[in-house]
Amino acid sequence: QQQVKQSPQSLIVQKGGISIINCAYENTAFDYFPWYQQFPGKGPALLIAIRPDVSEKKEGRFTISFNKSAKQFSLHIMDSQPGDSATYFCAASIKTGANNLFFGTGTRLTVIP
Amino acid sequence: GAGVSQSPSNKVTEKGKDVELRCDPISGHTALYWYRQSLGQGLEFLIYFQGNSAPDKSGLPSDRFSAERTGGSVSTLTIQRTQQEDSAVYLCASSAARGTEAFFGQGTRLTVV
Repeated sequence: QQQVKQSPQSLIVQKGGISIINCAYENTAFDYFPWYQQFPGKGPALLIAIRPDVSEKKEGRFTISFNKSAKQFSLHIMDSQPGDSATYFCAASIKTGANNLFFGTGTRLTVIP
Repeated sequence: GAGVSQSPSNKVTEKGKDVELRCDPISGHTALYWYRQSLGQGLEFLIYFQGNSAPDKSGLPSDRFSAERTGGSVSTLTIQRTQQEDSAVYLCASSAARGTEAFFGQGTRLTVV
């Protein structure tokens, strides 16, 4: 059972455009929602994360929007650049309790110059 | 070291052989995760260690897979009687506590021939 559902599987965006990746979850106990960025041949690296007490978090060109009632969260990349081309994973976990970090299936983003 | 270290970086083994993959987490990190990433796919959870608690082994795909973490630090993932479908990148991550940033190693690329 996929704890976190992610879409789209792949995304092609023109340079300067907005990239949007969506994730949904079912477990209302989740209280930590990170996004990871992975370049080929590398391990995933934390990009930005949010907790459910806020609806939006922005860091530079990257913004997480969080909708607690809908159990959805999304990553927006503004002014997308070719260097942003990578695979992006959303994830979720429970801060307390012996649980692991559940990942979405990933979105391969390609930003065309 | 400064980050999560995994060894070997690449491993080619013959079908039916046993392999051991090593993970050195960031010093002081209590949580350690193993994930498997098949070519172009998402992150498949394998096992999770948190402090001295019993590990969450719910993601191990078969009894050929096992892992241990000695002294709350180094972890070894063992795959017995390897099969071709075991070919993948095995990623290890550690975090300071539950619900905090997980730092990934570069992974071990396992090829079973």
